[in-house]
Amino acid sequence: EAQVTQNPRYLITVTGKKLTVTCSQNMNHEYMSWYRQDPGLGLRQIYYSMNVEVTDKGDVPEGYKVSRKEKRNFPLILESPSPNQTSLYFCASSLSGQNYGYTFGSGTRLTVV
Amino acid sequence: SQKIEQNSEALNIQEGKTATLTCNYTNYSPAYLQWYRQDPGRGPVFLLLIRENEKEKRKERLKVTFDTTLKQSLFHITASQPADSATYLCALDYSGTASKLTFGTGTRLQVTL
Repeated sequence: EAQVTQNPRYLITVTGKKLTVTCSQNMNHEYMSWYRQDPGLGLRQIYYSMNVEVTDKGDVPEGYKVSRKEKRNFPLILESPSPNQTSLYFCASSLSGQNYGYTFGSGTRLTVV
Repeated sequence: SQKIEQNSEALNIQEGKTATLTCNYTNYSPAYLQWYRQDPGRGPVFLLLIRENEKEKRKERLKVTFDTTLKQSLFHITASQPADSATYLCALDYSGTASKLTFGTGTRLQVTL
């Protein structure tokens, strides 16, 4: 089944403890993105990648890192999480070009205490 | 910066009627506009994409219009069903490459019997 898989689905952590949220897609998509979703603010893009080793900042990149060493994987790294990073995170992927929408993962609900 | 406005109030309609949701934006027109459906606690699901030079796009019971003069997109669901109840998000692609999407906050649709 074509899908974007995120792990974990739920995570509670403490301030300052480094964490990684994994994202993997099995559709050979070139484009991948990370979003966070907060009430009243909608989906905001954190980072995106247009291909292996090609990443760029989205609208809210502060406090996050990403890497794209393989086409299928696009992990999101929080080096020193803070409570304001408590949010619902989504990974998404798309075939390159201008005719395709994004396929989203099921989300990771992160709580930083 | 670009601003996207979707009606934050829920839209309640009766089964069988046509639901019309609005997406307004400021400043310049995007190259592409996409519509997504999101159910509570789930990732958005891509529905339709319309290009700047297209006026209308259809897919089964769904229809999207794009008016660059009014800076507005309308999303229609004909013969609506309770299963159509969800939040609908519009997303604007200014990059022209689908690498960066800017999402509205969405409108919740409730279809009642």
